[in-house]
Amino acid sequence: AQKITQTQPGMFVQEKEAVTLDCTYDTSDQSYGLFWYKQPSSGEMIFLIYQGSYDEQNATEGRYSLNFQKARKSANLVISASQLGDSAMYFCAMREGDTGGFKTIFGAGTRLFVKA
Amino acid sequence: DTGVSQNPRHKITKRGQNVTFRCDPISEHNRLYWYRQTLGQGPEFLTYFQNEAQLEKSRLLSDRFSAERPKGSFSTLEIQRTEQGDSAMYLCASSLDPDRRAFFGQGTRLTVV
Repeated sequence: AQKITQTQPGMFVQEKEAVTLDCTYDTSDQSYGLFWYKQPSSGEMIFLIYQGSYDEQNATEGRYSLNFQKARKSANLVISASQLGDSAMYFCAMREGDTGGFKTIFGAGTRLFVKA
Repeated sequence: DTGVSQNPRHKITKRGQNVTFRCDPISEHNRLYWYRQTLGQGPEFLTYFQNEAQLEKSRLLSDRFSAERPKGSFSTLEIQRTEQGDSAMYLCASSLDPDRRAFFGQGTRLTVV
């Protein structure tokens, strides 16, 4: 069964430092997509970054980069130069391929605390 | 483009009552998803529409839950005979392309008392 695992319930990082949030996934599909979303305390889900399973280069979006290691089935999010506004829940998600009906499944999330 | 809109934002209901939520996706998006999120957890997939066709339903969606998307535009999620365990945030999302991101609404928070 398709599955997303985020093993860090909470993480602390000093402002201006980089932080890596871990995500591993399990799927038998060859074609799939990986996402990271941010959910601040206000509740909305904010898209951060996307990586397709056939993309050869790691995705980057501003201060966000996705460290995609296909053989290890990991898709870690790296946030560079953390800001206080980065404090939020972060969810790793996977869009399943043909056999999964294209639905997206989410991990349990990691709560990030940025310290001043 | 005003994004994905969900109504109501909050709903308090007594156990046993029926409730209905509405989702208006981004207008050109043909895919629409419903998720449920409980406190401290990630969103759980409930159901998915491509245009007006409901293509997949999670086993989480018991017989008390029904979703529709008439004409492939807005969608409704109805919960009949609500139970306290139904208390959660119900999120709607839409997308144009399965390979790209889904845009989420702000959710409807349901409290069953």
